[in-house]
Amino acid sequence: GESVGLHLPTLSVQEGDNSIINCAYSNSASDYFIWYKQESGKGPQFIIDIRSNMDKRQGQRVTVLLNKTVKHLSLQIAATQPGDSAVYFCAENRNRDTGNQFYFGTGTSLTVIP
Amino acid sequence: DTGVSQDPRHKITKRGQNVTFRCDPISEHNRLYWYRQTLGQGPEFLTYFQNEAQLEKSRLLSDRFSAERPKGSFSTLEIQRTEQGDSAMYLCASSLRAGVGSGELFFGEGSRLTVL
Repeated sequence: GESVGLHLPTLSVQEGDNSIINCAYSNSASDYFIWYKQESGKGPQFIIDIRSNMDKRQGQRVTVLLNKTVKHLSLQIAATQPGDSAVYFCAENRNRDTGNQFYFGTGTSLTVIP
Repeated sequence: DTGVSQDPRHKITKRGQNVTFRCDPISEHNRLYWYRQTLGQGPEFLTYFQNEAQLEKSRLLSDRFSAERPKGSFSTLEIQRTEQGDSAMYLCASSLRAGVGSGELFFGEGSRLTVL
C-alpha cells in the first residue's frame, strides 16, 4: 500500500504486505530528515534518519528514500505487522549542526489489517 | 528508566488558571526542546535550549508562555491565564549536541493539557 502524505493521510495494508509512506518537505535547505512513529497516547519514537548527502538508507525492515530534486521523502516498511499500526511523521531539520528546530509534517496514519 | 520523563502526564484546568509542566531530559543530552501537538497534527516547535540558554522561540510561544532550564538539566514550561485553545499535548524532547550520535530527538510521553 502507498500514501501520498498530505493528500491521503490514512493508509491501510494487509499484514505481510509492504507499506510506503510519502512525505513532501518544504525547504530545499533542509539537510537532515527523520521518520518518527507515534502510537496513540505516546510520544514520537525514532525509526530512521537520513542526511541530505544520501539518497537511501536501510534499517531493520525499513528503508528511507530521499529525492532532493523534488523534495520528497518516503518510508518503506517491509512485511508490515500489526505492531506497525501508528501515525508516521517525517521531520526535516534545516541545520543539524546548530540544532535548529525540526519541522514535522502532518503525518500518515497506518492501519495494518490482520 | 533513563528516557525523557514529563510530569504531569495529564492536567485538567479551568480557563484563566496557570499551569506548569516539567521535563527531565536524558542526562547526557544538552539540548532540550518543547513541542505542542494538537489532535491529528504533527508536533509544532515551541522553543529550544542548549544547556541553560534558550536559543530559539517560535512565534507560537505567546507572552503567556514561558520556559526555563535554570541549571541546564530539567526544564519547565509555564502557561499563564490558560485559554481553551491551549488544550494540546505538550511534548518535550532532548538530543545530544551536534557531531555526537545521530542528532535524533528523543521524546517524552507528553503532558496532555485540557482547559475547560
